[in-house]
Order: sequence, then C-alpha cells, then structure tokens
Amino acid sequence: GNSVTQMEGPVTLSEEAFLTINCTYTATGYPSLFWYVQYPGEGLQLLLKATKADDKGSNKGFEATYRKETTSFHLEKGSVQVSDSAVYFCALGFNAGNNRKLIWGLGTSLAVNP
Amino acid sequence: GAGVSQTPSNKVTEKGKYVELRCDPISGHTALYWYRQSLGQGPEFLIYFQGTGAADDSGLPNDRFFAVRPEGSVSTLKIQRTERGDSAVYLCASSLRDGYEQYFGPGTRLTVT
Repeated sequence: GNSVTQMEGPVTLSEEAFLTINCTYTATGYPSLFWYVQYPGEGLQLLLKATKADDKGSNKGFEATYRKETTSFHLEKGSVQVSDSAVYFCALGFNAGNNRKLIWGLGTSLAVNP
Repeated sequence: GAGVSQTPSNKVTEKGKYVELRCDPISGHTALYWYRQSLGQGPEFLIYFQGTGAADDSGLPNDRFFAVRPEGSVSTLKIQRTERGDSAVYLCASSLRDGYEQYFGPGTRLTVT
C-alpha cells in the first residue's frame, strides 16, 4: 500500500541554520509528492510539489527532490528564519478510483529561535 | 480572492448531540474534501466530492457521519450522536478538478464533552 514516514519533531534551530526534514514513502505506481506547511493559527498551505522522479520542487527558499531510488522527498532550506516556525507535512498523492487522494505524514514541528 | 472558509471555528457540544460543520470552498473549485486532524497527526481523509456527488466516502468512520454538497459549492458535514472520540479539528479543502493542490480552510475545532 501507500504510506509516508516523516521525521519526528520537534526540531529546534537557530536562525540561519540549515534545515533538513526527512520524508520517505512507499507506493505502488507513480505518486506525486508534496510538502504542506501549517503556520500557527492558520490552515494548511501547499509549500512545494514534485510530480515525477528527479523533479525538484522549490518555494520560499525550500527545496525537495523526488528520489525514486531512495523513495525519499526530504525538505531542505539553507538558512531558516524565525518566520519559518511551523508544522511541516509530507504527503503522497495517488489516484484511487474517482479520487485524487493524499496520504499524509504525521507532521514535523519546527521552531526557529532568533 | 477569498480562500476556503469554515464555520464555526470552534464548536463545543455534549455527547449524543447532533452537529453540523460548514465549508465554503474557493469559487470555481469543483473538488471538495473533508479531513479530520487529531493533535500530533496528519489529516485523515473522510470524504471527497466532485461537484454535487460524493465520489469517495471511504474515509467516513461510521454511519453517524454524513456530508452533503447539494449545489456543488458549500458543503456541510453532519455528525449524529456525537461521541467524545469525535473531538478533533475538521478540515475542509477545495481543489480544481484535476489537481492534488488542495487549498485548506482554517478548520473547525470540535470538542465533545
């Protein structure tokens, strides 16, 4: 079946530190992969996506590369800011009959200190 | 433009009562999803609408849960005979027909006492 395993948090970093949040998946077929972010008090927002192997998604300084050989989609940012403090969710998208379904990781909480 | 809105933002109800949660999707989005999220968990899929019809209701936990979208826009999630285990944040998302890119509302926090 399809599943997503995400690095456990919380992660605490100082401003300008390098960030990696690991995400691995199992899937049948050819899923799409996503990172969503939930800022405090707000709804989930799509951060970036990749629809096929070797694609790199990027947005707001964050990047993730769809690696089929390691079944991974790790989120990285070279220099985090306090405003990046949020919960990050890795998600896998696949077709399930009439539905384009998302399977979600448990979320990783990130706190960035000034 | 306006995003997805959900009302109420918070709902406290007694065990055994009936509740309705409303979702107003982004205009023009034909796909609408309901999820449930418990603390420390990712969203759990409940039901998916394409237009007015429920295309996938496989995530509804039991027959106390029901959702409608009569005009293909606003949707209402209905929970009968609420139980304490139903306490969670209920999320609604909408999407263009062919997209995985789902736009989420802020959620309704349901507490069953």
